[in-house]
Amino acid sequence: KAGVTQTPRYLIKTRGQQVTLSCSPISGHRSVSWYQQTPGQGLQFLFEYFSETQRNKGNFPGRFSGRQFSNSRSEMNVSTLELGDSALYLCASSLGAVSGGPNQETQYFGPGTRLLVL
Amino acid sequence: AQSVTQLGSHVSVSEGALVLLRCNYSSSVPPYLFWYVQYPNQGLQLLLKYTSAATLVKGINGFEAEFKKSETSFHLTKPSAHMSDAAEYFCAVTGRGSGNTGKLIFGQGTTLQVKP
Repeated sequence: KAGVTQTPRYLIKTRGQQVTLSCSPISGHRSVSWYQQTPGQGLQFLFEYFSETQRNKGNFPGRFSGRQFSNSRSEMNVSTLELGDSALYLCASSLGAVSGGPNQETQYFGPGTRLLVL
Repeated sequence: AQSVTQLGSHVSVSEGALVLLRCNYSSSVPPYLFWYVQYPNQGLQLLLKYTSAATLVKGINGFEAEFKKSETSFHLTKPSAHMSDAAEYFCAVTGRGSGNTGKLIFGQGTTLQVKP
């Protein structure tokens, strides 16, 4: 079974631009979570999507947004980029079961998209 | 709210020595706990997880961890380090409520160095 894929793997943008990152989950997984990883702040949760709906959200400004499509693929968008948005953006997929305790499910991570904002 | 603290941002061991990576959590109710490993330029790979079954959890690559409620700890151990274990290790926690769905809270990570 193919793992989680993320595209592109690397991006260079300038301040003020916007960027869209893509994540394809493992086949059959319906939940996609996004995380930002920086040397200073570590790994921080951005949001989680399940069945095309945002089910949970972290403490990030509204410039960070996402969506999920009917095939469970997910995109995240960052508008008006700032230097501090330079990071590794990771997505993770899981089955996202509605019952039976989805919180204990394993999240499978993709390789990440490394974004550099100049 | 949950949180997790990893003691020691950098741990160095000799090949063949015991590996001990420390993780303490804070949670008002029994949480779910995870250990992930990250190799350079890669995503995170699950080593093991605690979901309130057995308190001693065995994972991949010879790693194991013990959930100790009285100490609010979930330390990761491996009896004998291998050079290939050199990586960054993350402890993560999540809660049981709907407000925690899909959300892992990570520690700051511990870089494991294995010396020949």
